[in-house]
Amino acid sequence: VQLQQSGPGLVKPSQTLSLTCAISGDTVSSIDSTWNWIRWSPSRGLEWLGRTYYRTTWSYDYAGFLKSRITIKSDTSRNQFSLQLVSVTPEDTAVYYCARDYPFPGWLDPWGQGILVTVSS
Amino acid sequence: SYVLTQPPSVSVAPGQTARITCGGDNIGSNSVHWYQQKSGQAPVLVVYDNTDRSPGIPERFSGSNSGNTATLTISRAEAGDEADYYCQVWDTLSDPLCVFGTGTKVTV
Repeated sequence: VQLQQSGPGLVKPSQTLSLTCAISGDTVSSIDSTWNWIRWSPSRGLEWLGRTYYRTTWSYDYAGFLKSRITIKSDTSRNQFSLQLVSVTPEDTAVYYCARDYPFPGWLDPWGQGILVTVSS
Repeated sequence: SYVLTQPPSVSVAPGQTARITCGGDNIGSNSVHWYQQKSGQAPVLVVYDNTDRSPGIPERFSGSNSGNTATLTISRAEAGDEADYYCQVWDTLSDPLCVFGTGTKVTV
């Protein structure tokens, strides 16, 4: 399984951060996996942001501190999932990772390569 | 929220043993996973389900979990083991659901 991330590395304050994670070797609709977004910064370490997964329907779980700003979507036609974070501030500057949790609830492996997103004007 | 506490740093001489602790309320009832993050790289799974090594991880890495403390042990430490290490659990009663430890910088 491999995860390939894409998206811009610079976002202006108050705008929307958008990242995509393309999956190979598994499917986003797998009933054994969940698909997660995590970020890392020197001051806060690793922070889990949220996940999506499919059982009989699609489900989404988000970290409470982001709940009003975060959306995770799945795209079965492209076998990928995405992260949107609205109204970003410099505090959202971090390296963003996607990762698979398997077998649910299991461990996070593999991880995407990470994208440094800087929030700055 | 559930809190996992790790020492900020651990220093070990080459060839010696490093022990990284992860403290949490009754953590022994959870499955703990450990990740290694080298500078500028994505985290890599090292140990899962408390004691199982991820494929390709040397036998020098081992894990344990009991009571209020989980431990990652690095035996015969090598320069290549220098990294940040994070413990992680899932807690369906917590927000967030997925909790990472505060991280430990291991210096060899």
